[in-house]
Amino acid sequence: KAGVTQTPRYLIKTRGQQVTLSCSPISGHRSVSWYQQTPGQGLQFLFEYFSETQRNKGNFPGRFSGRQFSNSRSEMNVSTLELGDSALYLCASSLDPAGQGYTFGSGTRLTVV
Amino acid sequence: GQQVMQIPQYQHVQEGEDFTTYCNSSTTLSNIQWYKQRPGGHPVFLIQLVKSGEVKKQKRLTFQFGEAKKNSSLHITATQTTDVGTYFCAGRGANRDDKIIFGKGTRLHILP
Repeated sequence: KAGVTQTPRYLIKTRGQQVTLSCSPISGHRSVSWYQQTPGQGLQFLFEYFSETQRNKGNFPGRFSGRQFSNSRSEMNVSTLELGDSALYLCASSLDPAGQGYTFGSGTRLTVV
Repeated sequence: GQQVMQIPQYQHVQEGEDFTTYCNSSTTLSNIQWYKQRPGGHPVFLIQLVKSGEVKKQKRLTFQFGEAKKNSSLHITATQTTDVGTYFCAGRGANRDDKIIFGKGTRLHILP
């Protein structure tokens, strides 16, 4: 079966712009989580969605938002981009929040210049 | 809030030597998961531990969950070059709605 698909793979934006990242989970998976990965900070939790509802939110500013659609696809949006937002954004899916481990997508590499 | 600490941050070993990474949570966990991320890749799920004192093995990898469900370890016997990568633990708090928090990972380098 197809894995977790994230688009786009790479993105370059300028400060102040906004960006939308997309994640299509494995078919049948209804739980989607987003993480920001940077060399110094590891994997920082952004959001967790299940059945279109946000179950948890990490400690990120309000510029970071997300949503999940009825087909379980998810998007995250970052507004007013800052240089420090440059990172690899990873999406992970599981059957449900208590599922047996995440399947991660390949990520979107965002560079803010 | 919940924190998951992982040590060491880096580990260099000679090929054939053993390797261990340790994970400690500030709160009791409902479960702990382990992931491996190869250089340039994304994290790949290895295993989940749920029970207090649980020990699971996958070939040369041994995973343990502490009796208090606040710590865990991953031990690799006789490392091989294919073991190179960063190993992450990830713990979910004891409450049903708690989020999964990742440790910062241990980067393993294998010296030939």
